[in-house]
Amino acid sequence: DAKTTQPTSMDCAEGRAANLPCNHSTISGNEYVYWYRQIHSQGPQYIIHGLKNNETNEMASLIITEDRKSSTLILPHATLRDTAVYYCIVNNQGGKLIFGQGTELSVKP
Amino acid sequence: NAGVTQTPKFQVLKTGQSMTLQCAQDMNHEYMSWYRQDPGMGLRLIHYSVGAGITDQGEVPNGYNVSRSTTEDFPLRLLSAAPSQTSVYFCASSYGIGSSYEQYFGPGTRLTVT
Repeated sequence: DAKTTQPTSMDCAEGRAANLPCNHSTISGNEYVYWYRQIHSQGPQYIIHGLKNNETNEMASLIITEDRKSSTLILPHATLRDTAVYYCIVNNQGGKLIFGQGTELSVKP
Repeated sequence: NAGVTQTPKFQVLKTGQSMTLQCAQDMNHEYMSWYRQDPGMGLRLIHYSVGAGITDQGEVPNGYNVSRSTTEDFPLRLLSAAPSQTSVYFCASSYGIGSSYEQYFGPGTRLTVT
């Protein structure tokens, strides 16, 4: 599995868009980009995933660059409840997710 | 649906004791897995199963056994607990085993081994 690089921490003002970057320069053609988040002490929660195209669901948008070497998770209107650790994972082995350190997002009033 | 459930929520063991962490899902998912999360770190895969009767090792399998006799249940057994196994344990499941299936995680079991 390709490795990912994420900033250790980020701040965002409540109501603003939160843009979380992820670098995955060694991603291979059949690896998906997944985003999960973990709110303090809870189990990780699936957010979104994509292969090549940009994706959007009720929680977030995922923007993948054309060369697929990086991506950005966008939370359009961050709330205090979005404070969590966000994990970017590239995966082609089904359930064998490899979690890194993630980005600790703090949404501030 | 209850989703993925885990019991117990908290457990304290003495070194050398054995116990089983329970995991169940009611979504008819084929794939189930166990992860552990140490303080300040990401999750690491212990064991996984792609269906009833089929299990395999993950990244950190030593000291743990699993079995999958039904689609719904995937218990994790600690054979002889050690302080190094103090961690939070998460169970997860997904509909399929391909790369395009998201995983659903349980609430976790917080284990302390003294």
